[in-house]
Amino acid sequence: GQNIDQPTEMTATEGAIVQINCTYQTSGFNGLFWYQQHAGEAPTFLSYNVLDGLEEKGRFSSFLSRSKGYSYLLLKELQMKDSASYLCAVKARRNAGNNRKLIWGLGTSLGVNP
Amino acid sequence: DTAVSQTPKYLVTQMGNDKSIKCEQNLGHDTMYWYKQDSKKFLKIMFSYNNKELIINETVPNRFSPKSPDKAHLNLHINSLELGDSAVYFCASQLTGRTGELFFGEGSRLTVL
Repeated sequence: GQNIDQPTEMTATEGAIVQINCTYQTSGFNGLFWYQQHAGEAPTFLSYNVLDGLEEKGRFSSFLSRSKGYSYLLLKELQMKDSASYLCAVKARRNAGNNRKLIWGLGTSLGVNP
Repeated sequence: DTAVSQTPKYLVTQMGNDKSIKCEQNLGHDTMYWYKQDSKKFLKIMFSYNNKELIINETVPNRFSPKSPDKAHLNLHINSLELGDSAVYFCASQLTGRTGELFFGEGSRLTVL
């Protein structure tokens, strides 16, 4: 089966660093996405990893280990506006119709306290 | 200008009715999707179209019928609405390329009474 696991909820303090983990088991792998979704809004793209290692983009960084089926999203210098749900999604193998599909995690709801 | 726009944003209707949600993207992308996000926040893919051709059709009741008149538009028609259809429906457009990231519309919140 195909499965993506993330913690359901996390809380952190403004100015701190938080790491949100994601583990996956999928039929094939062709990249991993992180999306941010504020309450009542659409998901927005944060990062994409297809090779092992760390990708840094401002206060946000994303790490991938394909051999371990593991990724994390690192948020530094947390701000109140970072309170949102963070969704991990894996681009899996092509299906019989030769199309790749995104397998989504349930998301991690992050609360940032002052 | 909004890249992916959906209408209506809110829809409240009675069980048994038929309703449609429309989606348009001005990004020039070839692939569009419909996702359903329920109260537990799980994003579930429903359909995907590439250049007006249906390429992904998940296990969705046949009361749901997508239609793509051209590659910039993907509409969703729902017949005989049921209580369990209440959710937020997101349209998304896909950039073809290295990442294939999705650009989502603002969502259409459907409430079936």
